[in-house]
Amino acid sequence: QSVVTQPPSASGTAGQRVTISCSGSSYNIGDNSVNWYQQVPGTAPKVLIYFNNQRPSGVSDRFSGSKSGTSASLAISGLQSEDEADYYCASWDDSLNGYVFGTGTKVTVL
Amino acid sequence: QVQLQESGPGLVRPSETLSLTCTVSGASVRSGSYFWSWIRLPPGKGLEWMGQIYYSGRTNYTPSLKSRVTISVDTSKNQFSLKLTSVTAADTAVYYCARVYDSNGFYYFDYWGPGALVIVSS
Repeated sequence: QSVVTQPPSASGTAGQRVTISCSGSSYNIGDNSVNWYQQVPGTAPKVLIYFNNQRPSGVSDRFSGSKSGTSASLAISGLQSEDEADYYCASWDDSLNGYVFGTGTKVTVL
Repeated sequence: QVQLQESGPGLVRPSETLSLTCTVSGASVRSGSYFWSWIRLPPGKGLEWMGQIYYSGRTNYTPSLKSRVTISVDTSKNQFSLKLTSVTAADTAVYYCARVYDSNGFYYFDYWGPGALVIVSS
């Protein structure tokens, strides 16, 4: 049972903006950076955002991340069918002395 | 380019030990800027971080698995390995190895293996 929670699902039509929230505590998000991963079913996760708001080269600028206090969010603008996937936030947890993944959010393009 | 590849049995009997190896190419497990992790995805559930190792042998494990997990590194083969003892059906999952980039205490998983499905069944 993860200590970092996300909504189980999010959806939008093509071209819309979708936001996914990630809620933690002072032990994890509040004191450490947040990373976001995209996982298309049947494939390995891929980093979308690291260190709260940094995009690796090759990741579309339609993806953006932010953090405030013990929460973070991932925004997907100009939603496309290829964005259908599971999305996870993750952070180091000082009390567990390890990484924690959020519960995951399934994004559907209607 | 950096590549990671998991290998090991795809079927393990209940109560036995699950063993997987991750072979790294395009990077050295001796590099001081990285940790090496194992993460799993049980069917119908979310990602679970299991543990990590530094080239020196220093390890961190998730508390819920700490009594059953051992991660080791073989720098001569550029590999790191996972052992999970006393497995049950709840340990059925896709197991991923991943590299962890460490920048002054800020971390993220930058490269992942394709994953290895391990089924626990008699």
